[in-house]
Amino acid sequence: AQSVTQLDSQVPVFEEAPVELRCNYSSSVSVYLFWYVQYPNQGLQLLLKYLSGSTLVKGINGFEAEFNKSQTSFHLRKPSVHISDTAEYFCAVSWIQGAQKLVFGQGTRLTINP
Amino acid sequence: EAQVTQNPRYLITVTGKKLTVTCSQNMNHEYMSWYRQDPGLGLRQIYYSMNVEVTDKGDVPEGYKVSRKEKRNFPLILESPSPNQTSLYFCASSRTGLDEQYFGPGTRLTVT
Repeated sequence: AQSVTQLDSQVPVFEEAPVELRCNYSSSVSVYLFWYVQYPNQGLQLLLKYLSGSTLVKGINGFEAEFNKSQTSFHLRKPSVHISDTAEYFCAVSWIQGAQKLVFGQGTRLTINP
Repeated sequence: EAQVTQNPRYLITVTGKKLTVTCSQNMNHEYMSWYRQDPGLGLRQIYYSMNVEVTDKGDVPEGYKVSRKEKRNFPLILESPSPNQTSLYFCASSRTGLDEQYFGPGTRLTVT
C-alpha cells in the first residue's frame, strides 16, 4: 500500500538554528511530492512541490527540500528558523500511475524556542 | 480572489442529527476532496470527486456521503453523526488529483 511516513511527530529547535523535517514514502515509482504548512487555527498552504527536474526544490519562507529517489525521501530543511515558523508541517505524495489522490503523512509539529 | 470556502466553521451537534458541511471553490477546478484531521493521524481522505457527478471513496468513507452536482460545490453530508466523527474537516480543490491542492479554512465538528 502507498504510504507516507514523517519520522518525527514533534521537533523543538532554538530560534536561528537549522532544522530538518523528515519524510519517506513507500514506493520508488514516479511521484509528485509536496510539503504543506498549517499555522495554528488555519488551513493548509503549500510550501513547495517537486514534479520533475532539479531534485533540490526551493519554497516560500526560506524552506527547501531535496528529492532522493533511491532513499524514497523528501526531507524539508531551513538553515535558520524564526519564531514565526512554529506550525505543523505535512508531507504529501501522489503516485503518478496510481489513484488520483494525495496521501499525507502524520505531520510534524515544529516548535521554535527563543 | 481564488479560494475555497467552507461553512460552517464550527458546529456542535448531537448524535443522530443530520448535518451538511458546504464547500465551494471559485477556481474552476475539476478535482475536489474532503479530509478529516485527527491528532497523530495527519489528514485522511474521506471522499473525492474528479468531476461533476463523479465521486469515489477515499480512505475513511464510512458514515459520510457527498454529491457533486455542480463543478464549484462539493457538500459533505453526515446523515447520522456519531461521536467518533468529532474532528476537523477540510475541503480541498485542484486541477487534477495529482496537483497542488488548495484548502478551505476547516470546519471543527463536535458530536456529543
